[in-house]
Amino acid sequence: AQSVTQLDSHVSVSEGTPVLLRCNYSSSYSPSLFWYVQHPNKGLQLLLKYTSAATLVKGINGFEAEFKKSETSFHLTKPSAHMSDAAEYFCVVSGTSGSARQLTFGSGTQLTVLP
Amino acid sequence: DTAVSQTPKYLVTQMGNDKSIKCEQNLGHDTMYWYKQDSKKFLKIMFSYNNKELIINETVPNRFSPKSPDKAHLNLHINSLELGDSAVYFCGTQGSGNTIYFGEGSWLTVV
Repeated sequence: AQSVTQLDSHVSVSEGTPVLLRCNYSSSYSPSLFWYVQHPNKGLQLLLKYTSAATLVKGINGFEAEFKKSETSFHLTKPSAHMSDAAEYFCVVSGTSGSARQLTFGSGTQLTVLP
Repeated sequence: DTAVSQTPKYLVTQMGNDKSIKCEQNLGHDTMYWYKQDSKKFLKIMFSYNNKELIINETVPNRFSPKSPDKAHLNLHINSLELGDSAVYFCGTQGSGNTIYFGEGSWLTVV
């Protein structure tokens, strides 16, 4: 079984300040972890993924995430927020159960960027 | 070329109607999914197909019937639409490396 918890449903930052979106996961095997972003009325875009290579993963648009097995966390960060970063962010864990690949989404974090 | 394409993007229909949403992927992947996103943005898996074979069916009413004519297509047919079926439906495909590629979504509104 696997699960994902996004610790904040809403995060609000000022433009130019750092962004931190928190994600904790639970998995009975070595998971793959992803962050996706969804802009208003748009589809799901992959930001970055962790698949047991480097623990610090760099993604698009200046985002990065660090896989910490001891803390079962995969927090998403960005040094400086931009207005265009305002969107819904989803942490996702992927694993295999039997013959099926299972994708479990977190409940999402709404990021607001203030001018 | 769009990797995963869904049609239609927007669909407004009356209760009781039957409708289909089509999905096509050009990545050559074996595994395809349908996910439903409710009004609170929560995403939940509905179906998973691997090489045209149903792998996962997550407690979805049997009014929903996925059809996979070939590895590149996974269509979703919905019978007797209800108000609660209003949602955004996402098709996805997963290749090696566990990366998931999603379509742009299909916004279904039942009135």
